[in-house]
Amino acid sequence: AQSVTQPDARVTVSEGASLQLRCKYSYSGTPYLFWYVQYPRQGLQLLLKYYSGDPVVQGVNGFEAEFIKSNSSFHLRKASVHWSDSAVYFCAVSAGSNNRIFFGDGTQLVVKP
Amino acid sequence: AQTIHQWPVAEIKAVGSPLSLGCTIKGKSSPNLYWYWQATGGTLQQLFYSITVGQVESVVQLNLSASRPKDDQFILSTEKLLLSHSGFYLCAWRPDYAEQFFGPGTRLTVL
Repeated sequence: AQSVTQPDARVTVSEGASLQLRCKYSYSGTPYLFWYVQYPRQGLQLLLKYYSGDPVVQGVNGFEAEFIKSNSSFHLRKASVHWSDSAVYFCAVSAGSNNRIFFGDGTQLVVKP
Repeated sequence: AQTIHQWPVAEIKAVGSPLSLGCTIKGKSSPNLYWYWQATGGTLQQLFYSITVGQVESVVQLNLSASRPKDDQFILSTEKLLLSHSGFYLCAWRPDYAEQFFGPGTRLTVL
């Protein structure tokens, strides 16, 4: 079965600083990987996804993530964060289009002005 | 373009009272539909999913039930609410590929 670990429950960074949110997954095959963002009192929005090909995927609002199979990781990065990036970020994994998606526990990102 | 709606936006209900939450997806025929529950500030817990009308599979029930009376509609309900039902309920749909798209959610407070 698949699973996702987001080891950091909360990350605080200063505006303009770079960001990395960590995600490790467990799955023996080649996974489908996702990052979602949830703003307060809203549903989840898809930031980016990885299915195959280039291991570095670009998402919305300057976010990117890198799939490293040898490390079972899919960390989310941003070069320069803005206060509006404050939200909860969820990493997720699926075995395929007809398979369940498993979500991590989420990382609360706080961007300090 | 597909759109997903959830109703109501928020509910305040008494313990022991019934509940019905709804989700509608427009612009997509025969979508896979999902219900999630999220405790305040917490993780997502998948509750139910449905791949076709009249068919619902349970992942975790939490004393709730789900139904799919129409192709574009997914209903979450219970006859007796518990305090532990409080939280944020999210409906999601999935196209033919892997990612899910989420609705705006319903906030439920049980007193």
